[in-house]
Amino acid sequence: DAMVIQNPRYQVTQFGKPVTLSCSQTLNHNVMYWYQQKSSQAPKLLFHYYDKDFNNEADTPDNFQSRRPNTSFCFLDIRSPGLGDAAMYLCATSRDWDRVDEQYFGPGTRLTVT
Amino acid sequence: DAKTTQPPSMDCAEGRAANLPCNHSTISGNEYVYWYRQIHSQGPQYIIHGLKNNETNEMASLIITEDRKSSTLILPHATLRDTAVYYCIVRPMFSGGYNKLIFGAGTRLAVHP
Repeated sequence: DAMVIQNPRYQVTQFGKPVTLSCSQTLNHNVMYWYQQKSSQAPKLLFHYYDKDFNNEADTPDNFQSRRPNTSFCFLDIRSPGLGDAAMYLCATSRDWDRVDEQYFGPGTRLTVT
Repeated sequence: DAKTTQPPSMDCAEGRAANLPCNHSTISGNEYVYWYRQIHSQGPQYIIHGLKNNETNEMASLIITEDRKSSTLILPHATLRDTAVYYCIVRPMFSGGYNKLIFGAGTRLAVHP
């Protein structure tokens, strides 16, 4: 009964080769988030969707894009991965955006850039 | 958003209570205290949150001081599976439009036999 699913769990890509990470949810939550977590660091928010509205964090590089084709799915696209983009990428959801709601996290996708 | 300060690491014996402190001396009246934890190679997991009253759920208890400048997360009977990084996060009740979590460095709790 997984609620936030991320595929694949491990992804290897080459320097400069576009890569897409996927996230799906069975919670029917309105908000979906993408976080980046580098080794031994805390998760850092990249962007989020409230329904179809995309909200980018000010310091998220342009190299990172996202798509949300429907309520259940959200994708993270890295257009030209660099070695510094190697990290765990975490997807999360919450029921709404103006409530004191907990976020539900997926298991993450660990991205390696060679 | 208010900043939090946590000890970088703590140890606890299995079966004993784990008391994890968090300082949030600049917290304002409309800010909640949240606790999440992250077990190795997993996504963070929500534990508990509170505004000014003490809170308890099936996972833990949260004790917030009367002046709200600090709090303590209590795991009453720690097990080996509680070994994780614990994050104390302060966020406003109405965060200007979205439910944003800003993670600090957290406390790495090691539960040993």
